[in-house]
Amino acid sequence: GNSVTQMEGPVTLSEEAFLTINCTYTATGYPSLFWYVQYPGEGLQLLLKATKADDKGSNKGFEATYRKETTSFHLEKGSVQVSDSAVYFCALARAGNNRKLIWGLGTSLAVNP
Amino acid sequence: GAVVSQHPSRVICKSGTSVKIECRSLDFQATTMFWYRQFPKQSLMLMATSNEGSKATYEQGVEKDKFLINHASLTLSTLTVTSAHPEDSSFYICSARDALAGTGELFFGEGSRLTVL
Repeated sequence: GNSVTQMEGPVTLSEEAFLTINCTYTATGYPSLFWYVQYPGEGLQLLLKATKADDKGSNKGFEATYRKETTSFHLEKGSVQVSDSAVYFCALARAGNNRKLIWGLGTSLAVNP
Repeated sequence: GAVVSQHPSRVICKSGTSVKIECRSLDFQATTMFWYRQFPKQSLMLMATSNEGSKATYEQGVEKDKFLINHASLTLSTLTVTSAHPEDSSFYICSARDALAGTGELFFGEGSRLTVL
């Protein structure tokens, strides 16, 4: 079946550190891949997405590349800020069915000044 | 971006009572809304798809008589947890898609934390 595996948190970094949150998936066909972010007290927001192999999604300094050969969609940011402290969710949607997202467990990130 | 609002954000109730959670799309129309449940340290689980003007579609294993969903207008869907029990305590999240924008992006509410005593 389809599934998403995310690295467990919490992740604690100092400001300006490099961030990687690993995400791997199993899926049939060619799913779309997403990263969502949930800031404290707010709803989930789409951070970035990629819809086909080798696509790179980017937003707010975050990037993730759809790697079909390694079935991965790792989230990276070169220099994190305190305001990036949030919970990050990796998710996939089966091809042709963007309504039903399959979610990772979420990774909590805390960035200290 | 589009805004989805949930109410209440927190609710505590006694076992056996029913609780209603509202999900509103504030600045767009949503023909379809989705209800999720999230347990601590677990991923979001899709419970049901709420369709405006018709019956909700429930995921396998979700009791439709336990979790009543009503989507009476293009901007409001409600989830009623009937005869709540402590095991229903959870974080409930709704999401909606802008029917007119056509981007397919989902917008999420802030979530509602239910605690059943």
